[in-house]
Amino acid sequence: EAGVAQSPRYKIIEKRQSVAFWCNPISGHATLYWYQQILGQGPKLLIQFQNNGVVDDSQLPKDRFSAERLKGVDSTLKIQPAKLEDSAVYLCASSPSGGGYTFGSGTRLTVV
Amino acid sequence: QQQVKQSPQSLIVQKGGISIINCAYENTAFDYFPWYQQFPGKGPALLIAIRPDVSEKKEGRFTISFNKSAKQFSLHIMDSQPGDSATYFCAASRTGGFKTIFGAGTRLFVKA
Repeated sequence: EAGVAQSPRYKIIEKRQSVAFWCNPISGHATLYWYQQILGQGPKLLIQFQNNGVVDDSQLPKDRFSAERLKGVDSTLKIQPAKLEDSAVYLCASSPSGGGYTFGSGTRLTVV
Repeated sequence: QQQVKQSPQSLIVQKGGISIINCAYENTAFDYFPWYQQFPGKGPALLIAIRPDVSEKKEGRFTISFNKSAKQFSLHIMDSQPGDSATYFCAASRTGGFKTIFGAGTRLFVKA
């Protein structure tokens, strides 16, 4: 089966600019996650979708981050405006219904 | 109570040796404990997982040991190979679609 697709792979932006990331999960996976992985740390959940509804966004900085999952399939994560501390790898993952995740390769964001 | 504490931060093992990574959790509601392996530039990949109704699970050279009373679990990599050099994350979650909490990671280097 095809894996979790993410784009772009890399992005460099200046602080206060906006950026968007895209994720296409494994077909049929109801649950989609966006994680932030800062260098040298474990992934931290930003938002979890079940189909196209939000299950958990308690750690999403809602003043600058937003996410949506259109028709319960693809998802986009947006940052506006970006800060230096947002430099990280943004990982998308999906699972059929909890349990083990399949992660994408991530988008490495550098904010300068 | 949501944390998963992982040690050591880094580990160097000779080829053919045993690599041991330890994790501890606090939330007794956790009932799924996966380990993920991450190579540079890639997303984490599910390696092996255990539920608390068993004390040990083995898949090839990888074994999880689970101590429910101590709230600890560990990953043992037998006959470690240079190709095992990667970052390993322990994690914990609850059945029912709850988010997975990741440890901070262990960077393993296997010397040839």
